[in-house]
Amino acid sequence: DAGVIQSPRHEVTEMGQEVTLRCKPISGHNSLFWYRQTMMRGLELLIYFNNNVPIDDSGMPEDRFSAKMPNASFSTLKIQPSEPRDSAVYFCASSLNTEAFFGQGTRLTVV
Amino acid sequence: SQQGEEDPQALSIQEGENATMNCSYKTSINNLQWYRQNSGRGLVHLILIRSNEREKHSGRLRVTLDTSKKSSSLLITASRAADTASYFCATDNDYKLSFGAGTTVTVRA
Repeated sequence: DAGVIQSPRHEVTEMGQEVTLRCKPISGHNSLFWYRQTMMRGLELLIYFNNNVPIDDSGMPEDRFSAKMPNASFSTLKIQPSEPRDSAVYFCASSLNTEAFFGQGTRLTVV
Repeated sequence: SQQGEEDPQALSIQEGENATMNCSYKTSINNLQWYRQNSGRGLVHLILIRSNEREKHSGRLRVTLDTSKKSSSLLITASRAADTASYFCATDNDYKLSFGAGTTVTVRA
């Protein structure tokens, strides 16, 4: 397996634009996590899916953020409209009830 | 919100020395995990200790868990330059993984 695959690796966008981050988890894993990492706030859990169902989205900053998992092999995190304070590295991770495997992250810069 | 808090925030040691970092958490857990992150990369799982375990070893890593104090420690023995990274503890509560702020370890050659 190629591991957790995230795309794009880097994204630069203008304030107000819609941004969509994508994640392909490891086949067979039943949990998927979206995290955001910044120097100021560290690694924050945004949302957690189990068997494609959102279980806990209490970490989603506000209504501008939304996440979907239409099937076991794909998830998206959308920010609309984007703001400069959304600039961060966004990680997707998947697990099968124990250790989590992380993707390489998407570095988002909103200018 | 972050569940775990690592201590110290940063640690600088000489190659060959041991590195110890601590993690405190707030709620009940199924297990506690430690991860490493090299600069600009994703996190990599190091070791998992279950809530009914007190100590676990993996190579040069030793993890302890004290559920009564809600704390854990990670010891890296005989450190190498390649151990330079940030180390995070993560608490597993019903499969929800929450991470602490991390300890940045620098190993000087």
